[in-house]
Amino acid sequence: DTGVSQNPRHKITKRGQNVTFRCDPISEHNRLYWYRQTLGQGPEFLTYFQNEAQLEKSRLLSDRFSAERPKGSFSTLEIQRTEQGDSAMYLCASSLAAGVGIYGYTFGSGTRLTVV
Amino acid sequence: GENVEQHPSTLSVQEGDSAVIKCTYSDSASNYFPWYKQELGKGPQLIIDIRSNVGEKKDQRIAVTLNKTAKHFSLHITETQPEDSAVYFCAASINYGGSQGNLIFGKGTKLSVKP
Repeated sequence: DTGVSQNPRHKITKRGQNVTFRCDPISEHNRLYWYRQTLGQGPEFLTYFQNEAQLEKSRLLSDRFSAERPKGSFSTLEIQRTEQGDSAMYLCASSLAAGVGIYGYTFGSGTRLTVV
Repeated sequence: GENVEQHPSTLSVQEGDSAVIKCTYSDSASNYFPWYKQELGKGPQLIIDIRSNVGEKKDQRIAVTLNKTAKHFSLHITETQPEDSAVYFCAASINYGGSQGNLIFGKGTKLSVKP
């Protein structure tokens, strides 16, 4: 078990370009979450999957954002037509949903996006 | 929706002293309260959590207390060490029978432990 892996660690892109991030969760975890963290703030929820199904999306997730988890394993988060306000750390987390509830997300180290 | 307030935003202590960070939440349905430590360039790491049916939980030098009536919970770190220096986040969510609400985080407390 190598934990939650996110790639790339850093991404610099020009405004208007599309970017895609990847998250590989802990292998036995069936839930995968995306959060965004800006400087000096706590993480903010974007969306989550249980297996391959996307179960909830935050209103922060504008129509320029799309997330997928095609086979219930890794996930991708794509931002189209990036804006400077998209600059943030994008965090992925995973957990195991079981009959007694889900506790203790494990976060990855994040992808830091800078839009110039 | 849930709102989590965290205080103080910065905290500086001498090595060996105790540190206390406090959070309040607004949604009385919240029943799960984790604390995360985030070091520079890393993702948040779970350090301790508490469920609403428990008033206090300890793990070595770290303890968390929960007051459901007042809707506040606190992190206590005793005998602080320089490696405790980091940003600490509290969070709240609703867990019910296999279905978890999303974590709502506070804004964080930057703890500095001076040798």
